[in-house]
Amino acid sequence: QKEVEQDPGPLSVPEGAIVSLNCTYSNSAFQYFMWYRQYSRKGPELLMYTYSSGNKEDGRFTAQVDKSSKYISLFIRDSQPSDSATYLCATCIYNQGGKLIFGQGTELSVKP
Amino acid sequence: EPEVTQTPSHQVTQMGQEVILRCVPISNHLYFYWYRQILGQKVEFLVSFYNNEISEKSEIFDDQFSVERPDGSNFTLKIRSTKLEDSAMYFCASSGADSNQPQHFGDGTRLSIL
Repeated sequence: QKEVEQDPGPLSVPEGAIVSLNCTYSNSAFQYFMWYRQYSRKGPELLMYTYSSGNKEDGRFTAQVDKSSKYISLFIRDSQPSDSATYLCATCIYNQGGKLIFGQGTELSVKP
Repeated sequence: EPEVTQTPSHQVTQMGQEVILRCVPISNHLYFYWYRQILGQKVEFLVSFYNNEISEKSEIFDDQFSVERPDGSNFTLKIRSTKLEDSAMYFCASSGADSNQPQHFGDGTRLSIL
């Protein structure tokens, strides 16, 4: 079983739609959860960082973690064409040298 | 906003040659990392570095790889004898006071082995 699984998409939505991106993970020792956005030929850009179950909101972005189900989500409200990118979930174990385990990434396209 | 910078953006090297990839982490960060991303695949952890020592390394990070912080600002990844399968994007990242802090990435070096 893969440590972090993420539907690679591609996912195409109209501008203004609510986008839901999801990952599942297998290891209950994972404690920190991140969402990164990656534009073509660029590095991952940190969007959200959380370590507890529940929701964390930042502008149009909401990260949701359910540790009991080992499920993490990123919601994007009022999606914009500039949100078109690949979204990566990542997680790590506390005090394991910061080793991030990434999902495959979901390619999102927001059409005007 | 402070950022991680990487040079060069693209490196082309003959198989068997040594290559050094360079990174300038965010200035007050203490933890430094290298990741790689083979085309179409996941971002994979290579190594983490703190206080002039390797903290953690993956199975990929074998004897062909080494890291160094030669001065107060640079962090380098050396591949001693490159192989075709080393062709990938290499990302440097840094984080603040401890390894559990969020990591910030550079835009990567695309390494092409011929």
